[in-house]
Amino acid sequence: NAGVTQTPKFRVLKTGQSMTLLCAQDMNHEYMYWYRQDPGMGLRLIHYSVGEGTTAKGEVPDGYNVSRLKKQNFLLGLESAAPSQTSVYFCASSYSWRQFFGPGTRLTVL
Amino acid sequence: TQLLEQSPQFLSIQEGENLTVYCNSSSVFSSLQWYRQEPGEGPVLLVTVVTGGEVKKLKRLTFQFGDARKDSSLHITAAQPGDTGLYLCAGQGAQKLVFGQGTRLTINP
Repeated sequence: NAGVTQTPKFRVLKTGQSMTLLCAQDMNHEYMYWYRQDPGMGLRLIHYSVGEGTTAKGEVPDGYNVSRLKKQNFLLGLESAAPSQTSVYFCASSYSWRQFFGPGTRLTVL
Repeated sequence: TQLLEQSPQFLSIQEGENLTVYCNSSSVFSSLQWYRQEPGEGPVLLVTVVTGGEVKKLKRLTFQFGDARKDSSLHITAAQPGDTGLYLCAGQGAQKLVFGQGTRLTINP
């Protein structure tokens, strides 16, 4: 099992560009999450999904959109990137409240 | 809004010393988890505590859940360089976890 995978691993964007981060899990988990991690701020929840076709806002949803068209995939989109979105993004899936994290995507917005 | 405060935020000690990391909240959580994160990787679950007053041991690591289920501590005995990393506590909320800001631990040889 690959667990939780994220693509890409690194990305540099210019302000105003758009991109999509892909998260995939092969553990058949219902719940999936997108977090951002910034120095000194731990993990902040952006959006999450409790099942295929459902999404919900987390703590810091502004500037991001998500989709969960298939149970195994959770996509995070940035429509118009801003420097404040420079961060490391983690995806996670969970079973019985234990969260399994991907390796992260380091995004820099210039 | 449920919040978790971790202290200290940074800790640098010598190999062989003991240390304690704290995770505090004004909210009650049904369970609390501790994760460890190494550079360039995602967090990995160490332990989940569920019952107030519960103590769990994982080799040299001892985790305790407060009686009122509002706080937790992580105690490491005889720290080793391999314990270096970012330690995160997380409380179970409705449909999601609430994470503390983390404690960055460095163990110097």
